[in-house]
Amino acid sequence: NAGVTQTPKFRVLKTGQSMTLLCAQDMNHEYMYWYRQDPGMGLRLIHYSVGEGTTAKGEVPDGYNVSRLKKQNFLLGLESAAPSQTSVYFCASSYVGRRYNEQFFGPGTRLTVL
Amino acid sequence: AQTVTQSQPEMSVQEAETVTLSCTYDTSENNYYLFWYKQPPSRQMILVIRQEAYKQQNATENRFSVNFQKAAKSFSLKISDSQLGDTAMYFCAFLGPDNAGNMLTFGGGTRLMVKP
Repeated sequence: NAGVTQTPKFRVLKTGQSMTLLCAQDMNHEYMYWYRQDPGMGLRLIHYSVGEGTTAKGEVPDGYNVSRLKKQNFLLGLESAAPSQTSVYFCASSYVGRRYNEQFFGPGTRLTVL
Repeated sequence: AQTVTQSQPEMSVQEAETVTLSCTYDTSENNYYLFWYKQPPSRQMILVIRQEAYKQQNATENRFSVNFQKAAKSFSLKISDSQLGDTAMYFCAFLGPDNAGNMLTFGGGTRLMVKP
């Protein structure tokens, strides 16, 4: 099992460019999440999904879009990147149900927007 | 909305000593879960320990244990016999009861340095 993987690991964008971050999990988890982590801060939830074809906004959704076309994949898009989106992005997944609520995290993607 | 506060931005401890990291949270709920995650320099987020609020007994995992004080809304992490590999950021996280997506609220983190 690879667990949760993220592509790419690093990316540098210019202001106004677009990109998509890919998250994949092979644990058959229903729930998936995208977080951002800024220096000296904890993780903040951007968007999440409770199943294939469903998405919902988290704490800081502005400037991002997501899609969950396949159960194992969760994509995070930046349509017009801004320097404020410079951050480390983490994807996570978990089982359905509160007794199985541990979130498994990917290794992160470091994004720099110039 | 729930909030999670970690009041110690940085801490250090000598190898083999014991250290306690603090976490407080704010909620009006009665049933919830609390977590401690470790983030080493590799950036990988690793679950250290989990506590269910309806359980009075404090959770333990080998050298890691918690002091859960529900009335005080406090959830501290004790690391015994600290090892160099414990050097990392530690995040406290909260999961509320009516949360269909199992969404976590994280504290700001405590950077722990274990010194040889």
